Amino acid sequence: QQQVKQSPQSLIVQKGGISIINCAYENTAFDYFPWYQQFPGKGPALLIAIRPDVSEKKEGRFTISFNKSAKQFSLHIMDSQPGDSATYFCAATGRGSTLGRLYFGRGTQLTVWP
Amino acid sequence: EAGVAQSPRYKIIEKRQSVAFWCNPISGHATLYWYQQILGQGPKLLIQFQNNGVVDDSQLPKDRFSAERLKGVDSTLKIQPAKLEDSAVYLCASSLKRGPGELFFGEGSRLTVL
Repeated sequence: QQQVKQSPQSLIVQKGGISIINCAYENTAFDYFPWYQQFPGKGPALLIAIRPDVSEKKEGRFTISFNKSAKQFSLHIMDSQPGDSATYFCAATGRGSTLGRLYFGRGTQLTVWP
Repeated sequence: EAGVAQSPRYKIIEKRQSVAFWCNPISGHATLYWYQQILGQGPKLLIQFQNNGVVDDSQLPKDRFSAERLKGVDSTLKIQPAKLEDSAVYLCASSLKRGPGELFFGEGSRLTVL
């Protein structure tokens, strides 16, 4: 069972446009929601993360929006650049016996055209 | 600061053969993880170590996979015997502590089982 569902699977955006990737989860024990960026041949790298006590977090051109009641969160990339072309993974983790275990979505392959 | 080191980067074996992957985490990181990333999917946790003890191996196929972290530093992941479905990238990651926070991933070891 996929703990974190991510969409779309792929996304093509014009340079300067806004990229939006959505994720949903079911487990209410999750309390930390990071986004990872992965370039071909590289390991994932943390981009930005949020906890459920806030509804939005912004770092530069990257913003996470969080809707606790809907159990959904999304990544917005403003002014998308060709260098942003990568695969993006949302993830979630919580407490208890699975402390430290990150559940990843299936990923979104973003292509930004110049 | 040196990142997470993994070797080999690529390995091709035939089914029923064995293979071993090595990981050297970031110095001082107590928690070490092995993730399996199948093509087109997000990483899935196989095993998590806290220092040299296993804290989560519930998703490790123990009939064929084994891992150890001697002296709480380097780690080795072994597959014996390999199956076709083990073809994937094996990612090692480390973090300062167990629980919510940034994971630092290595570049991965790509395994192809023929």
